[in-house]
Amino acid sequence: DAKTTQPPSMDCAEGRAANLPCNHSTISGNEYVYWYRQIHSQGPQYIIHGLKNNETNEMASLIITEDRKSSTLILPHATLRDTAVYYCIVRVANNAGNMLTFGGGTRLMVKP
Amino acid sequence: DVKVTQSSRYLVKRTGEKVFLECVQDMDHENMFWYRQDPGLGLRLIYFSYDVKMKEKGDIPEGYSVSREKKERFSLILESASTNQTSMYLCASFTGNTIYFGEGSWLTVV
Repeated sequence: DAKTTQPPSMDCAEGRAANLPCNHSTISGNEYVYWYRQIHSQGPQYIIHGLKNNETNEMASLIITEDRKSSTLILPHATLRDTAVYYCIVRVANNAGNMLTFGGGTRLMVKP
Repeated sequence: DVKVTQSSRYLVKRTGEKVFLECVQDMDHENMFWYRQDPGLGLRLIYFSYDVKMKEKGDIPEGYSVSREKKERFSLILESASTNQTSMYLCASFTGNTIYFGEGSWLTVV
C-alpha cells in the first residue's frame, strides 16, 4: 500500500507562500493524491487533488513531480486562518475496494 | 450538499460499556471508513467497508467491530469500552474522486 510521509510541523509568515511537501514514493500509476486540512475539533476539509498534472483552484496549487514520488501543496498567500493540520492522502485501490491512506499530517502555523 | 453525519458529537462512557458510534451518508456511497485520531498519531484507519455487509480491517481493528446492514449507515462498535479508546472518531465516505468526512465524535471512557 502506498504510504505518505510529511514533516510534522512548519511555520509560515502571514502573506507569504506556504509550501507543504509530501513524499509518496510507493505510489502507483492510477493512484490520486489528495490534500485535506483539519482545524481543531472539526472534520477534515477538502483542498485539492491530482493524478499527474499540476492543479490549481481557489484555495491552493498542487505540484506533483514527474516521477509522482512526491508532491507539494502551495498556499500562495497564507493567512492566520490557514493555521491547521494538513494531510496528504493517497487513494489506494485494491481488491477489497478503495482505501484511504493518511500521512501523519503537517501542523502549519501561520504567524503574523 | 453531500452530508456525512455522525450521530453523537460528544460522549462519555464507563469502562466495560458497549458503545455504538453511528455514521450516515446521504449519497449512496459504497465506500465508508472509520478512523480514530489521537494527538501525535494522525488519523489511523480502524475498519472500512466497500459494500453492504462487507467489511475489512484497517490498521488498528483490535477492540472494535463494525456493522454495515444498509448502504447509508456504517456503525462502529466498541464491545467493551476501555480508557485507551478515549479518542476522536472520524467517519468518511468515498465515491468517484471525492472523500467526504463527518465532523467527528469525541469519546471519553472513564
